[in-house]
Amino acid sequence: AQKITQTQPGMFVQEKEAVTLDCTYDTSDPSYGLFWYKQPSSGEMIFLIYQGSYDQQNATEGRYSLNFQKARKSANLVISASQLGDSAMYFCAMREMSSGNTGKLIFGQGTTLQVKP
Amino acid sequence: ETGVTQSPTHLIKTRGQQVTLRCSSQSGHNTVSWYQQALGQGPQFIFQYYREEENGRGNFPPRFSGLQFPNYSSELNVNALELDDSALYLCASSTTSGGIGDEQFFGPGTRLTVL
Repeated sequence: AQKITQTQPGMFVQEKEAVTLDCTYDTSDPSYGLFWYKQPSSGEMIFLIYQGSYDQQNATEGRYSLNFQKARKSANLVISASQLGDSAMYFCAMREMSSGNTGKLIFGQGTTLQVKP
Repeated sequence: ETGVTQSPTHLIKTRGQQVTLRCSSQSGHNTVSWYQQALGQGPQFIFQYYREEENGRGNFPPRFSGLQFPNYSSELNVNALELDDSALYLCASSTTSGGIGDEQFFGPGTRLTVL
């Protein structure tokens, strides 16, 4: 079974508008962390935002916010005021307590975002 | 502060050959993880090295092996290359071996093509 599911292979958004990228996850661990990364065409994975399973409030980092709905096991990324430079591949990832101290990240398939001028 | 660097950038090998990929971790980081990213897919965890020891492994065969050196740089070795090994290989470093919220800093990757 997929641990991380990103159902949107591709998304378009108009410059300056907000966009939501979907992510659902599957784990039986009570403690886990959820991450979003941006991967431009250059290949490097850029960390955007983190949400811990016990965090009471949704994480925010500048124009990025994470809509965390624990009961629904979803962790959607919201990008406000989209910019042309936001065009990239976006990955949702999870780290489970059962991974021990390996630091293993489990990634979804990714969503390609294109920002239109 | 120097970020994570990887070499080479691109590599072309033929089936059956062996390859070594290199990674220099970010300054102050003692943990290195390796990931394989096939085209159009998300990265898959290969293994992690912490203080020169393998500290966890994903679902990859033994022909994928690694090393970590005293300066925390790392190598990924792949023997008996197969066509399916063609991928972007990403190295990530972190300051600890795996707290839930620990951020991993990724390098630009090495693009391996196996013909």
